[in-house]
Amino acid sequence: DIVMTQSPLSLPVTPGEPASISCRSSQSLLHSTGYNSLDWYLQKPGQSPQLLIYLASNRASGVPDRFSGSGSGTDFTLKISRVEAEDVGVYYCMQTLHTPQYTFGQGTKLQIK
Amino acid sequence: EVQLVQSGTEVRKPGESLKISCKASGYNFMSYWIGWVRQMPEKGLEWMGIIHPGDSDARYSPSFQGQVTISVDKSIAAAYLQWSSLRASDTAMYYCARLTGIVPGNSYSGLDVWGQGTTVTVSS
Repeated sequence: DIVMTQSPLSLPVTPGEPASISCRSSQSLLHSTGYNSLDWYLQKPGQSPQLLIYLASNRASGVPDRFSGSGSGTDFTLKISRVEAEDVGVYYCMQTLHTPQYTFGQGTKLQIK
Repeated sequence: EVQLVQSGTEVRKPGESLKISCKASGYNFMSYWIGWVRQMPEKGLEWMGIIHPGDSDARYSPSFQGQVTISVDKSIAAAYLQWSSLRASDTAMYYCARLTGIVPGNSYSGLDVWGQGTTVTVSS
């Protein structure tokens, strides 16, 4: 299985400040189609996960533009340009390179200072 | 509105069977994969497997192969996750989610719709 490693696991952020989460995979997620098979999800407290970013850098419908994804191969980053109170929750990266052996990262808990 | 509505909370004893459901509405059920995700208490997300309603092609994560069965009923646009003999370690929240494709490309846009989750508690 491809192992996904996120850092940090806990991220206290002051509102209005930027935040960054790293996700590294144990093997390259660059598919033969030229796309990176890496998505980002946010699970707000008491809610189902929601899609933020797909294929490493594409924002899902309705996601604020303060969220952005970047990276390729084995190193990926989710950035929030200015954290808001509603952004608290656990962020997960997920690889979908080989169906059905998808895997999630451990999760990064974003908290407001 | 595109929705996945899951069945309610379940409490079972070890060794019992269970089938939980995920009912789709607001889109063409036959055109999208449905995936299942486990979240054990206070833990992260784990991928279980997917199924394509069009041909009932079900594919399982190695960790869950042989432990659960994923199926669909096209006539009512529902997907199912079932156990033949539950264990205490199956206690978790289970989510279904819609997957737009399995090949990264223009038709892929992640797990874009999620159900509200079904809590399963297995205890003697």
